[in-house]
Amino acid sequence: GDSVTQMEGPVTLSEEAFLTINCTYTATGYPSLFWYVQYPGEGLQLLLKATKADDKGSNKGFEATYRKETTSFHLEKGSVQVSDSAVYFCALGYNTDKLIFGTGTRLQVFP
Amino acid sequence: DGGITQSPKYLFRKEGQNVTLSCEQNLNHDAMYWYRQDPGQGLRLIYYSQIVNDFQKGDIAEGYSVSREKKESFPLTVTSAQKNPTAFYLCASSIHNPLRGNQPQHFGDGTRLSIL
Repeated sequence: GDSVTQMEGPVTLSEEAFLTINCTYTATGYPSLFWYVQYPGEGLQLLLKATKADDKGSNKGFEATYRKETTSFHLEKGSVQVSDSAVYFCALGYNTDKLIFGTGTRLQVFP
Repeated sequence: DGGITQSPKYLFRKEGQNVTLSCEQNLNHDAMYWYRQDPGQGLRLIYYSQIVNDFQKGDIAEGYSVSREKKESFPLTVTSAQKNPTAFYLCASSIHNPLRGNQPQHFGDGTRLSIL
């Protein structure tokens, strides 16, 4: 079946460091891919999405490219801020409305 | 402002009690979802509904029930049959349009349920 695997956290970085959070997926078809972010005590917010191979999603300095050949959708940011500290979820979905989420990766950014 | 409202933010249940979590949205979305979040396990789908008066079981529906009598409301009842209900519960909604592929989900701020 379909699944999403994320790197385990926490990822701990200093402010202005480069961020990569790995996400790989297993899919029987051609899903859309998403990154969601969850700040403490809140629900999830959509960060970015990509709907087909080679698409790049971007938002607020974060980027991820849909790589079909490596079945990956790694999240990157060139310079993180303390305010980026949160839990990041990778997810995939088809046009059935259901999403399959990874287990989440906690990011901690220190000044 | 459009959004999803979950209430209450914190809820306590005694053994053997049923409790109902509220979820209301004013985004005019057709589809609504309930997820359970446990530490280290990500989100697991409990129930979802794509249209009023219809809903489907997700991956962990046992011990839960839902109703969808109105488009904007999708309450979740945690029954006494759910033996380990302590968790963070998230409600979400999305546009339902199969021709446009999977649409992003919008989430509420969650309800944290604990057992007394």
